[in-house]
Amino acid sequence: DQQVKQNSPSLSVQEGRISILNCDYTNSMFDYFLWYKKYPAEGPTFLISISSIKDKNEDGRFTVFLNKSAKHLSLHIVPSQPGDSAVYFCAASSNYGGATNKLIFGTGTLLAVQP
Amino acid sequence: EPEVTQTPSHQVTQMGQEVILRCVPISNHLYFYWYRQILGQKVEFLVSFYNNEISEKSEIFDDQFSVERPDGSNFTLKIRSTKLEDSAMYFCASSHITGSQYFGPGTRLLVL
Repeated sequence: DQQVKQNSPSLSVQEGRISILNCDYTNSMFDYFLWYKKYPAEGPTFLISISSIKDKNEDGRFTVFLNKSAKHLSLHIVPSQPGDSAVYFCAASSNYGGATNKLIFGTGTLLAVQP
Repeated sequence: EPEVTQTPSHQVTQMGQEVILRCVPISNHLYFYWYRQILGQKVEFLVSFYNNEISEKSEIFDDQFSVERPDGSNFTLKIRSTKLEDSAMYFCASSHITGSQYFGPGTRLLVL
């Protein structure tokens, strides 16, 4: 059940450049989207989120863009730093504000930022 | 900064044994969750818990699994009779009324 897809298993970027991580979803009921960063043997760390009423949300070096018509979201990191090297997961939920809020995760993209 | 904590960090058990994984969610959060990640696979939802009852559970969460909030701070996942395929990282998460879920560091469960 591939409701959330991250088609790039890995991405390599030079330090200081922009990293763009992509995510596609199929379920039109999703109304809240999140990006998590994960290091090996650690739990996912929340980075940034966006609700379906917006098309952009920015927090420091991180910006998430949502294109509802294309069912596509992306995470931009600029400038990229070596410490950003990790696996990035896209996640989605429906019934925002409801008691469930279960997250459906993508498969992750391994970002490597080269010094 | 408040964080979700989990114990133990690692658990090795024999097939058929019971295990209890423990979590302390962020103190003012009201929604609690368990997820798992089998090696090389996606993070998968297991169960959500609100107001002292299960809100939703996945098909993975069968009769061998149970959750409990025995006091005001702990949230536990019990697997009654472990199977080899239960080997995974188990993550606890919590959230406020609405919004983002914050994850613990995980418990690595190995069933032999």
